[in-house]
Amino acid sequence: NAGVMQNPRHLVRRRGQEARLRCSPMKGHSHVYWYRQLPEEGLKFMVYLQKENIIDESGMPKERFSAEFPKEGPSILRIQQVVRGDSAAYFCASSPRTLGRDTQYFGPGTRLTVL
Amino acid sequence: AQKITQTQPGMFVQEKEAVTLDCTYDTSDPSYGLFWYKQPSSGEMIFLIYQGSYDQQNATEGRYSLNFQKARKSANLVISASQLGDSAMYFCAMRGWNSGNTPLVFGKGTRLSVIA
Repeated sequence: NAGVMQNPRHLVRRRGQEARLRCSPMKGHSHVYWYRQLPEEGLKFMVYLQKENIIDESGMPKERFSAEFPKEGPSILRIQQVVRGDSAAYFCASSPRTLGRDTQYFGPGTRLTVL
Repeated sequence: AQKITQTQPGMFVQEKEAVTLDCTYDTSDPSYGLFWYKQPSSGEMIFLIYQGSYDQQNATEGRYSLNFQKARKSANLVISASQLGDSAMYFCAMRGWNSGNTPLVFGKGTRLSVIA
C-alpha cells in the first residue's frame, strides 16, 4: 500500500517563476491537506481539499497561491511569481475521512528553494 | 482555536534510557485528538501515536506511550529504551472534532539527540 506521494522532492526556482507541487494521496483517501514548514518551525496549515472542492483555505496566502484536487490526478499546489520568502518545505497529508480521530499521513515533502 | 506548546527546544538522552518530551495544549473544543509525529533529518513526517480526548487509557505503540493528563492539558510523549535512530525532531499536534473540518495544529517541536 503506497503512502502519500509528493513530487518533486526538491524544487529550485528563481524569483518570479512559478512552482507546481504535486501530491497523490494514499489509496482510498479522498481528503488532502497542504502544510508549509519554515526552517526550525512546526508545520502550518494552508489548505484542505476533497475531490474537486476546496473545503478550507484559511491558511493560504490570498495572492499567488492556489490549490486544486481534480477528479482525476494528483492535488496541485501552485505558487505564482515566487519570492524568497516562499522557500520552505511543503507537505501534503491525506486521510480517509475528516473526523478528528482520523490520522493524517504525510508525504515526504517538497523542498522549495527560491533563488 | 487550538494551540500547542512544546517548551523543550532540544533534549539529550543516553541510549537505552527513557525520555519524556513535553506537550501542553489549549482548545475550546470538548472533543479533540492529540498526535505525535517524528521528523528525522531526511525530512519526512512519520506518525507515531494518537490519543483521543475521551480515551480512558493512555495510548501506547511499541516503545512510544502518551502520558495524557486531561486536567493539566498535557500530552507528553514517552520513548522507552532510546535508540540512536530516535534522534529526530518530534512534533506534537492536535485537532478538534467539533469545530468543523479543522486542520492539525502543530507545536514548534523538540529536537531529540540520543547519545551512545
